[in-house]
Amino acid sequence: AQKVTQAQTEISVVEKEDVTLDCVYETRDTTYYLFWYKQPPSGELVFLIRRNSFDEQNEISGRYSWNFQKSTSSFNFTITASQVVDSAVYFCALRTTSGTYKYIFGTGTRLKVLA
Amino acid sequence: GAGVSQSPSNKVTEKGKDVELRCDPISGHTALYWYRQRLGQGLEFLIYFQGNSAPDKSGLPSDRFSAERTGESVSTLTIQRTQQEDSAVYLCASSLVFLTSGSHEQFFGPGTRLTVL
Repeated sequence: AQKVTQAQTEISVVEKEDVTLDCVYETRDTTYYLFWYKQPPSGELVFLIRRNSFDEQNEISGRYSWNFQKSTSSFNFTITASQVVDSAVYFCALRTTSGTYKYIFGTGTRLKVLA
Repeated sequence: GAGVSQSPSNKVTEKGKDVELRCDPISGHTALYWYRQRLGQGLEFLIYFQGNSAPDKSGLPSDRFSAERTGESVSTLTIQRTQQEDSAVYLCASSLVFLTSGSHEQFFGPGTRLTVL
C-alpha cells in the first residue's frame, strides 16, 4: 500500500522559531519521488521540493531544509527562523513508479506563525 | 508563461443540477490531475489523464462524476445531479511525465469552489 502520513494537524510557533513538519511514507517500490507543497491562505498550491529515492542528500534552500531518511521512511521539512509569511498548510506527497502516475498526498499540516 | 487555469473560479448551484468544471493545463504537459479538497481537508485524488486517456479512475466518488480530456489539452470534470456533499474546491494540476524515468512536480491551478445549495 502507498500512504503518506502527516501526523501533525496544526502547529503554532512564534516568529523566528524553528519548526519541523513531519512526513512519513509507505511504499514497496524501490524507486519513488517525494514532494512538499505549500498552500497559503490564498489557496493555490506551490511546489517547494522534489526528491527521488536514490538521493538521500539533505537539501537546504534559504530558510528551508529537508531531511530525507529512507531507513525511517521519513521526509521532514524544517523552516528556520520562521516568518509570518510562512503561515500556510504544507502537504507532503509521494509518487511511485509502479502502476499509474498517481500522486498520494498527506492530509497536510497547518502552520501558524505568530508575530 | 501561462500557468494552469480553471473556470469558473466559483460555482453555486442547486442540488440536483449538473455542473461542468474546466481545466486548461500548461501547454506541453501531458499529465493532468483532478483533486477535490473539502474545507480544511487534504487533497483527495479523483482522476488522472496521460494524454487523452485516463488510466486511473479509481478516485471518482460515484458514477455521477466523469471527466474527459481532448487534444491533450483541456479537461472537463462533470458532476451530475449534484449533492450538498459535493461542495468543495476542485483542483486541477498538470505535469510533464517521462514514461521511462523521472518525475516532475505538479503545477496547480487556482481551483473551482463549488457550492451546492
